Amino acid sequence: AQSVAQPEDQVNVAEGNPLTVKCTYSVSGNPYLFWYVQYPNRGLQFLLKYITGDNLVKGSYGFEAEFNKSQTSFHLKKPSALVSDSALYFCAVRPNTNAGKSTFGDGTTLTVKP
Amino acid sequence: NAGVTQTPKFQVLKTGQSMTLQCAQDMNHNSMYWYRQDPGMGLRLIYYSASEGTTDKGEVPNGYNVSRLNKREFSLRLESAAPSQTSVYFCASSESAPYNEQFFGPGTRLTVL
Repeated sequence: AQSVAQPEDQVNVAEGNPLTVKCTYSVSGNPYLFWYVQYPNRGLQFLLKYITGDNLVKGSYGFEAEFNKSQTSFHLKKPSALVSDSALYFCAVRPNTNAGKSTFGDGTTLTVKP
Repeated sequence: NAGVTQTPKFQVLKTGQSMTLQCAQDMNHNSMYWYRQDPGMGLRLIYYSASEGTTDKGEVPNGYNVSRLNKREFSLRLESAAPSQTSVYFCASSESAPYNEQFFGPGTRLTVL
């Protein structure tokens, strides 16, 4: 069975500092990997995804993520955090088969302090 | 272009009551999904529909039924609500291929007393 682990419930960073939100996964075969962001009282919004090819994926709002097959990780990063980045972040994995479904991690709350 | 819409936004039920959560998307997506979100548990898939006329169970289907009314609409029904179904419910849609991202509605916050 596939799974996603987000080992940190909470990540705190100062504005202007780099941020990392960690994600590791387990899936049969090659994965499709996604990051979503959720602001309070809102639905999830897509940030970026890895399908194939370049291991460094760039997405919305200056976020990027690095796919590491040997470590089965897909960490979300941003070089300089903004207070407005404070939100709940979800990693998701889906196998590259038509019958596969997405599995979401439990989420990481990012707080950026001024 | 409204994306994914859900009604109602909030609902309070008594144990044993029934209700239907409505979802519609205007992006011509084939696939639609219902999730529930509970604190510290991420999103769990209740049911999904790969295309009009088909539905399939997800991770936590017990106590729920769904109807894919047409390509746009996918409803979730609670026949006899229980306090364990207190949650935030999200509908989502996507293009068919598995590498496509999902688009989420704003959610329905349901409390069962």
